[in-house]
Amino acid sequence: RKEVEQDPGPFNVPEGATVAFNCTYSNSASQSFFWYRQDCRKEPKLLMSVYSSGNEDGRFTAQLNRASQYISLLIRDSKLSDSATYLCVVNPGGSYIPTFGRGTSLIVHP
Amino acid sequence: EPEVTQTPSHQVTQMGQEVILRCVPISNHLYFYWYRQILGQKVEFLVSFYNNEISEKSEIFDDQFSVERPDGSNFTLKIRSTKLEDSAMYFCASSEDNNYGYTFGSGTRLTVV
Repeated sequence: RKEVEQDPGPFNVPEGATVAFNCTYSNSASQSFFWYRQDCRKEPKLLMSVYSSGNEDGRFTAQLNRASQYISLLIRDSKLSDSATYLCVVNPGGSYIPTFGRGTSLIVHP
Repeated sequence: EPEVTQTPSHQVTQMGQEVILRCVPISNHLYFYWYRQILGQKVEFLVSFYNNEISEKSEIFDDQFSVERPDGSNFTLKIRSTKLEDSAMYFCASSEDNNYGYTFGSGTRLTVV
């Protein structure tokens, strides 16, 4: 099983739609979890950390399910500007080598 | 907003040549990282640096690679003898704490010909 797995997509959704991405991880000792956004040929930018209790930032909601070893990102009311690749990042416990998923591509169309 | 600065933005080099990629992390950050991303592939961890020494490195970071913090602001990645497969985007990142998210620089696109 790969360390961090994401559905590559693309997810093709109309403006205003709600879309959700999942990311599974294999190391049960993982400590920290993040979602990044990467635009084409640009650097990844931190979107949000993912906390055990779940957290929300505007239209974005992140959830962590330790029992099933996955994290999720929900985007409500999608905007054209949300079109990007969304990267899941997991920091394992005991070692600080963070692992990136391959990313999920989102295309929001008018 | 503080940012991580990388130079050059694009470097073309001949196979076998040495290259040095430069980064200026955010000034109050303590942890520094190099990542690379081959076109169309995922972001791969190379090395992390804390307290003036390497704290973790991946299998990619072999003897051809080295990092240095020559002064209080710069953080460099050296590739001694470049190979064609070293062609990639190299990102520097920094963070206040290893459990926080990172701030990435805009990257150096390295092309080995």
